[in-house]
Amino acid sequence: GQQLNQSPQSMFIQEGEDVSMNCTSSSIFNTWLWYKQDPGEGPVLLIALYKAGELTSNGRLTAQFGITRKDSFLNISASIPSDVGIYFCAGSFTNAGKSTFGDGTTLTVKP
Amino acid sequence: GAVVSQHPSWVICKSGTSVKIECRSLDFQATTMFWYRQFPKQSLMLMATSNEGSKATYEQGVEKDKFLINHASLTLSTLTVTSAHPEDSSFYICSASGLAGSYSGANVLTFGAGSRLTVL
Repeated sequence: GQQLNQSPQSMFIQEGEDVSMNCTSSSIFNTWLWYKQDPGEGPVLLIALYKAGELTSNGRLTAQFGITRKDSFLNISASIPSDVGIYFCAGSFTNAGKSTFGDGTTLTVKP
Repeated sequence: GAVVSQHPSWVICKSGTSVKIECRSLDFQATTMFWYRQFPKQSLMLMATSNEGSKATYEQGVEKDKFLINHASLTLSTLTVTSAHPEDSSFYICSASGLAGSYSGANVLTFGAGSRLTVL
């Protein structure tokens, strides 16, 4: 089956620093999604990407759909304490919504 | 934007009892809903795909008779953990496939807030 490798597994950064995380896949997707999960909550959608090469921003967040359709990255600029949480990438190939999730990147921001 | 409501948010039950978790799409119709299980500090593990009006499709290794899924309407799917045991204790999350805010892709998932099950 499809596998997603998400890295890094965890990050400890200082407030104000920029963050970058990425996901790579063994097979292609036609949709890449990035979610954030706070403790005890369900994931919340941050950015959805639908086209290879697409670069999309949502406030301080920027994500790109890799040209090969096998990878995606998420950047967070000027991190703040509320950015703390677990970030998941997810890839989908069909229009039915079934997605494969990465293992998550745990972000810790020191004030 | 799309909202998915999940209830209860947490439940404690005795071993051997059954527990039902509801997942509702509040402002859109969800022909497909998904049920996940998440262990601490781990990713979401897809358990099954719930299709309105038909049988759920279970992932390999997930016991159909243990985790009963019913998707009786376009806005409601339920997961029943039957004869629960301590090893069933986990965080269960549902999601629905449909429109989400400004996104038009059908394959964008909106998640519920999750249900924490503790079996004593």
